[in-house]
Amino acid sequence: GAGVSQSPSNKVTEKGKDVELRCDPISGHTALYWYRQSLGQGLEFLIYFQGNSAPDKSGLPSDRFSAERTGGSVSTLTIQRTQQEDSAVYLCASSAGASPLHFGNGTRLTVT
Amino acid sequence: GENVEQHPSTLSVQEGDSAVIKCTYSDSASNYFPWYKQELGKGPQLIIDIRSNVGEKKDQRIAVTLNKTAKHFSLHITETQPEDSAVYFCAAAGGGTSYGKLTFGQGTILTVHP
Repeated sequence: GAGVSQSPSNKVTEKGKDVELRCDPISGHTALYWYRQSLGQGLEFLIYFQGNSAPDKSGLPSDRFSAERTGGSVSTLTIQRTQQEDSAVYLCASSAGASPLHFGNGTRLTVT
Repeated sequence: GENVEQHPSTLSVQEGDSAVIKCTYSDSASNYFPWYKQELGKGPQLIIDIRSNVGEKKDQRIAVTLNKTAKHFSLHITETQPEDSAVYFCAAAGGGTSYGKLTFGQGTILTVHP
């Protein structure tokens, strides 16, 4: 079956611009996570959605980062006024409740 | 918060040898410990996981051991093959509603030489 799908696979943007990254989780998975992978910081948790509950935003590094999940399925991670330190691979994962995470292949973001 | 330390950062073995990667964690409340394999340009893929009520789990050539008292867990790969070459990450989570809220180790680059 289809796995977690992320788009775009690569994004190059200029410093100060806003970007939107999209995640399509595995059908039926109620939990959705965003992680960031960078050379300096490794894999870091950003935000977590579970069903209709309020998201756990405890990993978002600044208020320039936000995410939403519409209809309990697709999620969008938005980074406003991008900075060079935002350059990283942004990974989305989904799970069927208390079960292992399935990761997508990520969006590689480069801020110039 | 949780802190996970992973060693070694790089590991080179000959095909057929065993490989061992070790991780320690700081939060005694953590009770779920997955291992992920990541190949170039792809997302992490779960290879094995263990919960804190079990001391060891095995799946073919891969095994994980957990010592809750010492707060460390290890990945063992036997009869390594060139296709095992990848980056391996350990992780820890508190379980329950935070099951997927993982703290990752820094990764181990495993190279298996034919």
